[in-house]
Amino acid sequence: AQSVTQPDIHITVSEGASLELRCNYSYGATPYLFWYVQSPGQGLQLLLKYFSGDTLVQGIKGFEAEFKRSQSSFNLRKPSVHWSDAAEYFCAVGAQEYGNKLVFGAGTILRVKS
Amino acid sequence: DAGITQSPRHKVTETGTPVTLRCHQTENHRYMYWYRQDPGHGLRLIHYSYGVKDTDKGEVSDGYSVSRSKTEDFLLTLESATSSQTSVYFCAISESRSYGYTFGSGTRLTVV
Repeated sequence: AQSVTQPDIHITVSEGASLELRCNYSYGATPYLFWYVQSPGQGLQLLLKYFSGDTLVQGIKGFEAEFKRSQSSFNLRKPSVHWSDAAEYFCAVGAQEYGNKLVFGAGTILRVKS
Repeated sequence: DAGITQSPRHKVTETGTPVTLRCHQTENHRYMYWYRQDPGHGLRLIHYSYGVKDTDKGEVSDGYSVSRSKTEDFLLTLESATSSQTSVYFCAISESRSYGYTFGSGTRLTVV
């Protein structure tokens, strides 16, 4: 079965610093990979997705993520964090063999220090 | 989010009562999902639908049932609410796996 691990429950970074949120998945075939962001009291918004091709994908709000098959990872990065990036971030994995269902990680809460 | 609406947004109910949450979409997407969100667990799939009257169970389906009689509506029913079902419930829609999901704003359910 698919599983997704986000090792960091909380991360605190200073405004203007770089950010990397980790995501590891467990699945044998090529997965579909997503990052979502959730602001307090809101639904989830899609940041970016990977299906195939270039392993470095660009998303909205200046985020990018890199798929590394050898490490079963799909880490989210941003070169310079803004205070408005404070939110909870979820990695999600899908696979053709599992239809159109996604499995989500437990989330990482990002705090931004001014 | 545009095109997907959940109702109610908040609900408090008593243990043992039935509760129905509604998800309505205007996007004509084939796939619809119900997830629950709990601290430390992320989002867990309750039930999903791949078309009218075609539904299936997710990983945490016990105590929940669903119905989809029209493309645009996906109902989640708690037959007899328990305190363990206190959670935030999210509906999501998808056109295909290539597009990921669009989420509703959520329903916060408290069972007392």
